[in-house]
Amino acid sequence: DQQVKQNSPSLSVQEGRISILNCDYTNSMFDYFLWYKKYPAEGPTFLISISSIKDKNEDGRFTVFLNKSAKHLSLHIVPSQPGDSAVYFCAAHNFGNEKLTFGTGTRLTIIP
Amino acid sequence: EPEVTQTPSHQVTQMGQEVILRCVPISNHLYFYWYRQILGQKVEFLVSFYNNEISEKSEIFDDQFSVERPDGSNFTLKIRSTKLEDSAMYFCASRERGIRLFFGSGTQLSVL
Repeated sequence: DQQVKQNSPSLSVQEGRISILNCDYTNSMFDYFLWYKKYPAEGPTFLISISSIKDKNEDGRFTVFLNKSAKHLSLHIVPSQPGDSAVYFCAAHNFGNEKLTFGTGTRLTIIP
Repeated sequence: EPEVTQTPSHQVTQMGQEVILRCVPISNHLYFYWYRQILGQKVEFLVSFYNNEISEKSEIFDDQFSVERPDGSNFTLKIRSTKLEDSAMYFCASRERGIRLFFGSGTQLSVL
């Protein structure tokens, strides 16, 4: 079951620059997409979400872009800070289902 | 911010033994979940629970697994006869009415 894919297992970005994390999906029935951040030994923490009827949602340093025709979304973090170093999971909700389907995660490292 | 709490943080058990993982969801939440993450893999949905019954479950959630909300505050996951491949981080999550899930910090289950 590879309905949500994060093809980059890791990403390193200089502090202050933009971090771009990517996510692809295959199921056109997904109606919401969410990004979660996870530190070691902690549970995933919600960052930002976007409805499938929108193409952009912004919250402070975090912006999520959705390209439905390409079945692709991205999370932009600007400026990147050392505390942003974590594993980022893309997740999708399927209308009519209860569960979220997660990607495999991207480990983001911010270099001071 | 209210939290989902999970106990214990670590559980070591012998293969074939029963384990119970405990969770206290956020008090006004209505939907409850268990997810797990095997080391290095994605976060996988196990089961959702609403109105005192299972609302959805994955193929992982076989007869060895059960969930219970015994007293209106706790939410438990029982594995009747653990296998080596049950070793994972188990996350409890809850939500109110929106899509956003709130996760606990997890129980690391090691089956020897």
